[in-house]
Amino acid sequence: DTGVSQDPRHKITKRGQNVTFRCDPISEHNRLYWYRQTLGQGPEFLTYFQNEAQLEKSRLLSDRFSAERPKGSFSTLEIQRTEQGDSAMYLCASSLDSGIGELFFGEGSRLTVL
Amino acid sequence: KNEVEQSPQNLTAQEGEFITINCSYSVGISALHWLQQHPGGGIVSLFMLSSGKKKHGRLIATINIQEKHSSLHITASHPRDSAVYICAVYMDSNYQLIWGAGTKLIIKP
Repeated sequence: DTGVSQDPRHKITKRGQNVTFRCDPISEHNRLYWYRQTLGQGPEFLTYFQNEAQLEKSRLLSDRFSAERPKGSFSTLEIQRTEQGDSAMYLCASSLDSGIGELFFGEGSRLTVL
Repeated sequence: KNEVEQSPQNLTAQEGEFITINCSYSVGISALHWLQQHPGGGIVSLFMLSSGKKKHGRLIATINIQEKHSSLHITASHPRDSAVYICAVYMDSNYQLIWGAGTKLIIKP
């Protein structure tokens, strides 16, 4: 499978715990995006990488959220001290670094904070 | 007012009907995406366009840059077309996408 893959697909955790999601983009894609989607809403931009550089981060992202893409390939999104409001689908997408590149999405990682 | 507006929010139609979903935007854009999301499923890119018209199977997308409007058409609709269809635009100034709220389409057999 050469698409964007995300792991885990579903995570249930207790409030206050830390969680980490992983995204493996399509191998030749330089750009990687993280989005959050709650039920009935469109995706909400979280952050964006070009290769290993984190170029943009949403102001909506609190200090409890951190994302990395250490070697310019896979990326991780960590949420520390989870809150119930963090419950959402976390989507990863990648695109080629060619100006406006078409986005390819993973299946998402659903987080449920109890 | 949202920068990307979709209409209708919800649409229910009978199998075989011609479907139109509209997207209007108020910002300068570089390109526009139409995406599809099935319930509980991931997001799939249908079209990315910056001018004119694109066709893929029973799906047709058009964009009018001057009028800041795009439409997604589905011909000979089928129950498997039931999904949320989302319009998203790339702003001129950066590579961020601005998302519409989506149109929930239900096609009844």
